[in-house]
Amino acid sequence: GAVVSQHPSWVICKSGTSVKIECRSLDFQATTMFWYRQFPKQSLMLMATSNEGSKATYEQGVEKDKFLINHASLTLSTLTVTSAHPEDSSFYICSARARVGRENYGYTFGSGTRLTVV
Amino acid sequence: QKEVEQDPGPLSVPEGAIVSLNCTYSNSAFQYFMWYRQYSRKGPELLMYTYSSGNKEDGRFTAQVDKSSKYISLFIRDSQPSDSATYLCAMSIYNFNKFYFGSGTKLNVKP
Repeated sequence: GAVVSQHPSWVICKSGTSVKIECRSLDFQATTMFWYRQFPKQSLMLMATSNEGSKATYEQGVEKDKFLINHASLTLSTLTVTSAHPEDSSFYICSARARVGRENYGYTFGSGTRLTVV
Repeated sequence: QKEVEQDPGPLSVPEGAIVSLNCTYSNSAFQYFMWYRQYSRKGPELLMYTYSSGNKEDGRFTAQVDKSSKYISLFIRDSQPSDSATYLCAMSIYNFNKFYFGSGTKLNVKP
C-alpha cells in the first residue's frame, strides 16, 4: 500500500523558535499534500494544500508567513512553524492522495507530529 | 453551523456488541463519504469509502449513506477491544478533494 512517513513524531521547542515537520511518500509520488492540525477532541482542520512545484493554497485564517509549506519534490513536503508560540501547540498531520499505477489508495495520512511550545 | 456534526462520545460497549457511529451534515453537495479510525497519537487510517447513497460492507464494518436525510453511519459487528479508537467521518464534494471531518467519536470496547 501507500505509506506516508512523517517526522518527528513529537517535538518540544521554546517559544520564538522555528520547527520543521517533514512528510515523505515512501512508495508513490504525492503530487498533492494536505496539512492539517488537530486540537484535542476536535476534528482535523485543513490548513493548506500544497502542490509539487507551486505555492501552497492556505485556508482562510491560516497565516501563510507563520506556517511555511514547501513541496519541492514529488515525495517530500515540509511544514515549518516559524516563531512558534504556545498557542501553536497542536497535533499536525499531513496527508497525500496516493495513486500507484492503477491502484488508487485514496487519502493516506502520516502518523502525525505532536508539537509542544513552551 | 458546522459542516459535519459527530457525537464525540465517549461510547463504551462490551466486547461482541454491535456499534453504531453516526454523522450528520448540512451540505447536500457532498458525494463522497469516508470513515477513518484514529488511534491515540497516530494519523487516521481509512476504513470505508462510499460514493453517494447506499450501503457498503467490508468484513465486520458496514457503512451506510442516506443522502436524503444527510446522515451517514458506520456499523461494527462483533466489536473487539482492538476496535477501541476514535472514529472520524469525512466527506467531500469531489473525489478525494478537500475533506470535511467530523470531530470524531471515541469508542471503548471493554473485554
